[in-house]
Amino acid sequence: DAKTTQPPSMDCAEGRAANLPCNHSTISGNEYVYWYRQIHSQGPQYIIHGLKNNETNEMASLIITEDRKSSTLILPHATLRDTAVYYCIVRATIKAAGNKLTFGGGTRVLVKP
Amino acid sequence: KAGVTQTPRYLIKTRGQQVTLSCSPISGHRSVSWYQQTPGQGLQFLFEYFSETQRNKGNFPGRFSGRQFSNSRSEMNVSTLELGDSALYLCASSLAGTSHEQYFGPGTRLTVT
Repeated sequence: DAKTTQPPSMDCAEGRAANLPCNHSTISGNEYVYWYRQIHSQGPQYIIHGLKNNETNEMASLIITEDRKSSTLILPHATLRDTAVYYCIVRATIKAAGNKLTFGGGTRVLVKP
Repeated sequence: KAGVTQTPRYLIKTRGQQVTLSCSPISGHRSVSWYQQTPGQGLQFLFEYFSETQRNKGNFPGRFSGRQFSNSRSEMNVSTLELGDSALYLCASSLAGTSHEQYFGPGTRLTVT
């Protein structure tokens, strides 16, 4: 799986959009970008994933650059409950890879009132 | 639908003992993965089971083992416990052999004294 690079921490104001960057310059053509988050003392929670196109769901939006070497997770209106560690993961979703996830250090996001 | 359950939630063991942790996946899910989370190493993949077969294994010593039953429930065992095995052990379930979404349980907090 390709390696990802994320800033170790960032602050965000409540009610504002939070933009979380992720670099994955060695991503391969069959690798997806996944985002998970882990709220303190809980198990990680799936947020969103994408391959080439931008994606949106009820939790967030995922913007992937055209060359696929970086992506941004957008939380449109951050709330205090969005305070968590956010992990960007790149993984080939093929049978041989199974469901293994390789977590990096993630970005610790603190939403402030 | 019930989420992933892990038992016990907390456990205290002594060095040299062995421990067995249990994970019940979401109903209908056939893949179970195990992770170890420590402050120093972060989230690390232990192994994955799919249809009672181990498909992937992380870089952990042979003291760490697991199995999956025909109802998809999984157990992991750690023998000859060391202080460094103190960690949060998380399991994740997913529907199929290769799934985009994985669902994590709350974890078992193991303390080795």
